[in-house]
Amino acid sequence: GAGVSQTPSNKVTEKGKYVELRCDPISGHTALYWYRQSLGQGPEFLIYFQGTGAADDSGLPNDRFFAVRPEGSVSTLKIQRTERGDSAVYLCASSQEGGAGANVLTFGAGSRLTVL
Amino acid sequence: SQKIEQNSEALNIQEGKTATLTCNYTNYSPAYLQWYRQDPGRGPVFLLLIRENEKEKRKERLKVTFDTTLKQSLFHITASQPADSATYLCALVPTDSWGKLQFGAGTQVVVTP
Repeated sequence: GAGVSQTPSNKVTEKGKYVELRCDPISGHTALYWYRQSLGQGPEFLIYFQGTGAADDSGLPNDRFFAVRPEGSVSTLKIQRTERGDSAVYLCASSQEGGAGANVLTFGAGSRLTVL
Repeated sequence: SQKIEQNSEALNIQEGKTATLTCNYTNYSPAYLQWYRQDPGRGPVFLLLIRENEKEKRKERLKVTFDTTLKQSLFHITASQPADSATYLCALVPTDSWGKLQFGAGTQVVVTP
């Protein structure tokens, strides 16, 4: 597509529920990234994929968070047993293959998650 | 521990003046540094990138400097316009994990006519 698409744009859930957030990257972009952003803060790294594999998942806060990208395109961020502290905007970005070059990220508009 | 610091106070500036933003970092050896712009309710948008062996980069009214000795980057918006009002984020790219960008908290710029 023309840009990075994230769905849903808004998600309100109750504590303890399971949530899935979807990201559709720019066509042809091999790298995909998940960040989350709390109010007044910069984006916080969660995970990035190179193709289908997670190249670095060191930012996932705990084992309730999991992300997949089975076909190297669309990615889903999955959060189990949601907690109020998970409330944030979850940003997805994609880029052409970077490596030693310059990986310029194109971000989606984000999915705002509110856990009541 | 690693830290990236940007001015937390909003920068209020008059149209036509130059806005200068600071990004300081500690315990990092970044391969390069990027600047992004973020508008309310939107994702960050890439503006400029500067590598560790470069001192200065320019793009239209934007200029970025990078001093690896001082561990600091300066971001300048010359001839500022009200449309430049936004939050500006710096991001460091580590040498050992090129996809793991580390962002500062951002500085809000408000340009008044």
